[in-house]
Amino acid sequence: QVQLQESGPGLVKPSETLSLTCTVSGGSISSNYWSWIRQPPGKGLEWIGYIHYSGSTNYNPSLKSRITMSIDTSKNQFSLKVSSVTAADTAVYYCARLSNTGAWFDPWGQGTLVTVSS
Amino acid sequence: QSVLTQPPSASGTPGQRVTISCSGSSSNIGVNTVYWYQHLPGAAPKLLIYNTNQRPSGVPDRFSGSKSGTSASLAISGLRSEDEADYYCAAWDDSLYGPVFGGGTKLTVL
Repeated sequence: QVQLQESGPGLVKPSETLSLTCTVSGGSISSNYWSWIRQPPGKGLEWIGYIHYSGSTNYNPSLKSRITMSIDTSKNQFSLKVSSVTAADTAVYYCARLSNTGAWFDPWGQGTLVTVSS
Repeated sequence: QSVLTQPPSASGTPGQRVTISCSGSSSNIGVNTVYWYQHLPGAAPKLLIYNTNQRPSGVPDRFSGSKSGTSASLAISGLRSEDEADYYCAAWDDSLYGPVFGGGTKLTVL
C-alpha cells in the first residue's frame, strides 16, 4: 500500500523560499505522476503542480513563476519549492499521487501546515 | 476563485438525500470525467467518486455521482452524522492541461 508523507519547515519568513519534500513508501515513485495541492486557512483546495518520474512538470499558471518541482527516484522522494513567499502562501500543503487518466489524486499525504510569518 | 463552481454549503437531516452540484465548462467537465473528494477536518482528502460515477472499494453505495453536459452532481442518500464534511469536485482541464477543483461545499447534518 503506497503511503506519502510530507516534511519540511513549518515556518518560513516572507520573501524566502518554502521547501517541502514528499517521501513515498510502499511502492516505487518510478511510475505515475506526483502532485502538490494546498489549502489556505478557510479556503478550498488549490492544485499547485505535478511532476512525472521522468522529470517533466506542469504547474498551475497562477503560481508558475514561483514554483519548482523535482524528483529523486533513488530516494523515492519528490520536492516542492515556492520562492518569494508571502502570507498568502500560508496553507496546509498536501502531496498526492496523480493518475494519468484525470484528476484522480490517491493516495494523499496527511498534509503539513506551512506558515509564512516574520 | 475556483474554476469549478460549487455551492458553499448544503445541509440535511439524518436519513435525507442531499445533492451537491458542480458546474464547469467545455474544457473540463464537458469532456472529462469528474472526481469527488470528502475532506474531514484535520485529515487528508479522501477519494469518494472517480470516473464520474464509480466508487472506490470501501465507499458506501449511499454516495453516487452523475454528470450532464458541463455540470456534475454528488448525491448522498440516507444521510448520516459522519457525512458532515467538506466535499470537493475535480476534473481534468484540457486548456490548463492540469486538474481543477471546485471551491468546496460544507455539508452540515442537522
